[in-house]
Amino acid sequence: AQTVTQSQPEMSVQEAETVTLSCTYDTSESDYYLFWYKQPPSRQMILVIRQEAYKQQNATENRFSVNFQKAAKSFSLKISDSQLGDAAMYFCAYRSETSGTYKYIFGTGTRLKVLA
Amino acid sequence: NAGVTQTPKFRVLKTGQSMTLLCAQDMNHEYMYWYRQDPGMGLRLIHYSVGEGTTAKGEVPDGYNVSRLKKQNFLLGLESAAPSQTSVYFCASTWGQVTEETQYFGPGTRLLVL
Repeated sequence: AQTVTQSQPEMSVQEAETVTLSCTYDTSESDYYLFWYKQPPSRQMILVIRQEAYKQQNATENRFSVNFQKAAKSFSLKISDSQLGDAAMYFCAYRSETSGTYKYIFGTGTRLKVLA
Repeated sequence: NAGVTQTPKFRVLKTGQSMTLLCAQDMNHEYMYWYRQDPGMGLRLIHYSVGEGTTAKGEVPDGYNVSRLKKQNFLLGLESAAPSQTSVYFCASTWGQVTEETQYFGPGTRLLVL
């Protein structure tokens, strides 16, 4: 069974600085999606970035980028020029493309604090 | 276009009571999911559906039942609520196996079982 591990329960970053959130996963499959979701205090889950496993190029969305290391099964999120609005829980998630189960597996989350 | 909506937003139940949470989406999505979120445990999948009339068990299905009689609605039922079911419940939907796969989430339902 697939697993997703976020080993950093909490991280802090100074405003305007860069922070990297870690995520590792375990799977025997070759085709899958990986995601980072943001959950602010409002509780609304917001997609930050998505990576298809077959794409070697790391996904980027404005100040958010990932470092996808398929062989190492690592999927870290880098937030550049951190803003106060980035403070939230961040969840890493995995979805299989080959098992046919259509299930998402989430990590336990990393709480990001942004210091003014 | 309301996206994914959940009813109710908050509910208090006594142990043994029953209730139904409603999830509705207006994006014509095929797949719908129910998750629960507990502190330190992330989101755990309760049940999901890959189309109208279909349901399947997720990671933590015990104590819950679901139905998807209409494509746009996914109901989560608690037949006999227990304090262990105190949680925040999220519904999500997605088109399924296409490119640009994304889950869209509802705002959550906070349930307290006394």
